[in-house]
Amino acid sequence: DQQVKQNSPSLSVQEGRISILNCDYTNSMFDYFLWYKKYPAEGPTFLISISSIKDKNEDGRFTVFLNKSAKHLSLHIVPSQPGDSAVYFCAASNPYSGSARQLTFGSGTQLTVLP
Amino acid sequence: GAGVSQSPSNKVTEKGKDVELRCDPISGHTALYWYRQSLGQGLEFLIYFQGNSAPDKSGLPSDRFSAERTGGSVSTLTIQRTQQEDSAVYLCASSLGGYGEQYFGPGTRLTVT
Repeated sequence: DQQVKQNSPSLSVQEGRISILNCDYTNSMFDYFLWYKKYPAEGPTFLISISSIKDKNEDGRFTVFLNKSAKHLSLHIVPSQPGDSAVYFCAASNPYSGSARQLTFGSGTQLTVLP
Repeated sequence: GAGVSQSPSNKVTEKGKDVELRCDPISGHTALYWYRQSLGQGLEFLIYFQGNSAPDKSGLPSDRFSAERTGGSVSTLTIQRTQQEDSAVYLCASSLGGYGEQYFGPGTRLTVT
């Protein structure tokens, strides 16, 4: 049972436009959400996070939106750049799970920004 | 300023053999996690170490999997009697404390033939 779902395996966007990556979750106990970015042959790197007490967090070109009632979060990248091309993973953590910050990941979305 | 390192980067082994995967966390990070990513899947939690506490092994898929962390630093993930379904990228992450941001290593790609 996938608790974190990224239903779009891939997304292509023109340089300069907005990229919107979506993520849905089923576990209402999740209280902290993160986005990771992964280049080939490298480990995921942390991008941005949001606590469940907020509905928006912004960091430069990256904004994460959280809709708790819909159990949905999204990552907006504006403007998109070719260097943003990577796999983006959504992750969530449950403070009542065995490990303090055990992360549950989605399956990832491959973003391609076309020049 | 070295990040998390893992070795080997690639490992091909025959079904039934044992393998050991190594993780060197960032110096000073007390928490260490192992995840694996199977083809087309997200990262799956395997095991978590925090300081001197007993590890959380709740994610280990079978008793063929074990891990240890020596001296609160380097960790080794051991898979005994490997099966083809063990083929995946095994990722290690470390963090400063159990609630810190997790920094990932580049992973070990394991292929069981």
